[in-house]
Amino acid sequence: DAGVIQSPRHEVTEMGQEVTLRCKPISGHNSLFWYRQTMMRGLELLIYFNNNVPIDDSGMPEDRFSAKMPNASFSTLKIQPSEPRDSAVYFCASSFGTEKLFFGSGTQLSVL
Amino acid sequence: GESVGLHLPTLSVQEGDNSIINCAYSNSASDYFIWYKQESGKGPQFIIDIRSNMDKRQGQRVTVLLNKTVKHLSLQIAATQPGDSAVYFCAENINQAGTALIFGKGTTLSVSS
Repeated sequence: DAGVIQSPRHEVTEMGQEVTLRCKPISGHNSLFWYRQTMMRGLELLIYFNNNVPIDDSGMPEDRFSAKMPNASFSTLKIQPSEPRDSAVYFCASSFGTEKLFFGSGTQLSVL
Repeated sequence: GESVGLHLPTLSVQEGDNSIINCAYSNSASDYFIWYKQESGKGPQFIIDIRSNMDKRQGQRVTVLLNKTVKHLSLQIAATQPGDSAVYFCAENINQAGTALIFGKGTTLSVSS
């Protein structure tokens, strides 16, 4: 089992640019989560999907952030336009239900 | 809103000692708790979980204790090894609420040999 696959592993971009983060969940899992990790705020839930439908997006910071899950095997998190305060590690996780989550390796985003 | 918190941000132990990492939670409705280990540059990895109908659960070298009276969760690691050095997170959820795990801010465990 390949686990949760995220890409890219690192992203460096300039303020104002669009950033797209990608995630392939574990096959058979029906829930997918996007978390953001910073030293100050720890692991914060951004959004989660169940059966490809967004269930809770209350953690999405603002309209600059959007997430999609067009099918059971793929999700994207987009930031447009990006700002320096968006710099963080973004994790995707998947599970069957909402209990034991399996995390990807994360995308380290730096917005200059 | 309510959130999970941690008592200590760092814990330093000697190799071979037992480690205890503590976690306080504030949502009395939470009925599922889980511990994750995060090594540098990696995503969190599942260690052990426990439901609220239990007060203790054991894994390989790890034990989770749940005290619902004082809303306290702890992770005990027996015979701590250098490879146990990492950040440890507790998280909570309300199983039937359709909500996602809420994570505490983490405790850094440093094991010296």
